[in-house]
Amino acid sequence: GAVVSQHPSRVICKSGTSVKIECRSLDFQATTMFWYRQFPKKSLMLMATSNEGSKATYEQGVEKDKFLINHASLTLSTLTVTSAHPEDSSFYICSARVEGSSYEQYFGPGTRLTVT
Amino acid sequence: SQKIEQNSEALNIQEGKTATLTCNYTNYSPAYLQWYRQDPGRGPVFLLLIRENEKEKRKERLKVTFDTTLKQSLFHITASQPADSATYLCALDRYPGGSYIPTFGRGTSLIVHP
Repeated sequence: GAVVSQHPSRVICKSGTSVKIECRSLDFQATTMFWYRQFPKKSLMLMATSNEGSKATYEQGVEKDKFLINHASLTLSTLTVTSAHPEDSSFYICSARVEGSSYEQYFGPGTRLTVT
Repeated sequence: SQKIEQNSEALNIQEGKTATLTCNYTNYSPAYLQWYRQDPGRGPVFLLLIRENEKEKRKERLKVTFDTTLKQSLFHITASQPADSATYLCALDRYPGGSYIPTFGRGTSLIVHP
């Protein structure tokens, strides 16, 4: 089946620093990947749609200069949280769709970010 | 505005019984609807997709129904097991400007007691 990996699984950083999270589709190509954040006992909140070779499409209210997304290849998208603050602490999850197939998404295992 | 509603209260059932979870939506005209399972601290896992022209879909002990008139999907797990305990999410796609954008409900927690 389609497998998506994320790295790192957990990261702790200090306020003001930047953190990069990688999302890889391991056995398929993904023209489109999605980035979500999730608060405890809350729904997945879509942050942005990452498109290979073009700029990401951000959802309303998501700061594009704070959450930098790069989708440089058909198997890799990265999310960089810049100048992190404690309120950025959250669970970040990426997903990808298998192109040309049905519309189900395959999710990575998530990254727990803690900003101190 | 578009909304996806799932029961926020946890569903507690006894092992062996059938669990039924509900997903209601408003202001969508979805071509399909999806169900996912999410365990604590993990990413969701795709379970089933049902299209608007399908009334029912089955996969092993799972069954999904889709009523586009009622704007509702029901998700059933028969012969439930403690290992089925998880949060179950329904998802619909928005279709603004030529792209399918996924939107998830808050999920319903299922707890199966041995």
